Amino acid sequence: GAGVSQSPSNKVTEKGKDVELRCDPISGHTALYWYRQSLGQGLEFLIYFQGNSAPDKSGLPSDRFSAERTGGSVSTLTIQRTQQEDSAVYLCASSASATDTQYFGPGTRLTVL
Amino acid sequence: GEDVEQSLFLSVREGDSSVINCTYTDSSSTYLYWYKQEPGAGLQLLTYIFSNMDMKQDQRLTVLLNKKDKHLSLRIADTQTGDSAIYFCAEYGSASKIIFGSGTRLSIRP
Repeated sequence: GAGVSQSPSNKVTEKGKDVELRCDPISGHTALYWYRQSLGQGLEFLIYFQGNSAPDKSGLPSDRFSAERTGGSVSTLTIQRTQQEDSAVYLCASSASATDTQYFGPGTRLTVL
Repeated sequence: GEDVEQSLFLSVREGDSSVINCTYTDSSSTYLYWYKQEPGAGLQLLTYIFSNMDMKQDQRLTVLLNKKDKHLSLRIADTQTGDSAIYFCAEYGSASKIIFGSGTRLSIRP
């Protein structure tokens, strides 16, 4: 079917507000990843879901960041009390298994004023 | 934890070969990947190599793997302006997930 989709494509928020970013992976993909790419920076791993296993949260930068994956499909990344340094493009990717090609969504550009 | 490192920038003259280098720390890596991110676009898989191989060629792309030194390279022959992008090295190994480097920005000069 369709590729990985993310919403919203752009989000502007005020410092201190909470935001939710959504990722719809490719149907049937068991692995789902969240990354962050700041302006001029490389790709930063945030969190990884694989099937029913406990997620790998080792990349989350602070306890303001959390993510869920409901029913093994859609995932939501939540950032509480946003800060200006959270401004970045948040990318979601899914793959059929841990070793397979990751297919990336178009990203959500988050701007915290 | 496991780490993947790349230089941040590479500038190459059009028509020359580009060589993008990557080092990794995980001796248990089984798959190594190169992804490409064009300006304003998402990441796309370019090629990958199994750890039991030392070379893979695909048209203008050549991947070389030195497992002993944990060194991976991507060679782009006859570099064109359309090759301008950020190239990400990635590996799958003991962490049971794909770990990306920070990316190398390739710029092409006339």
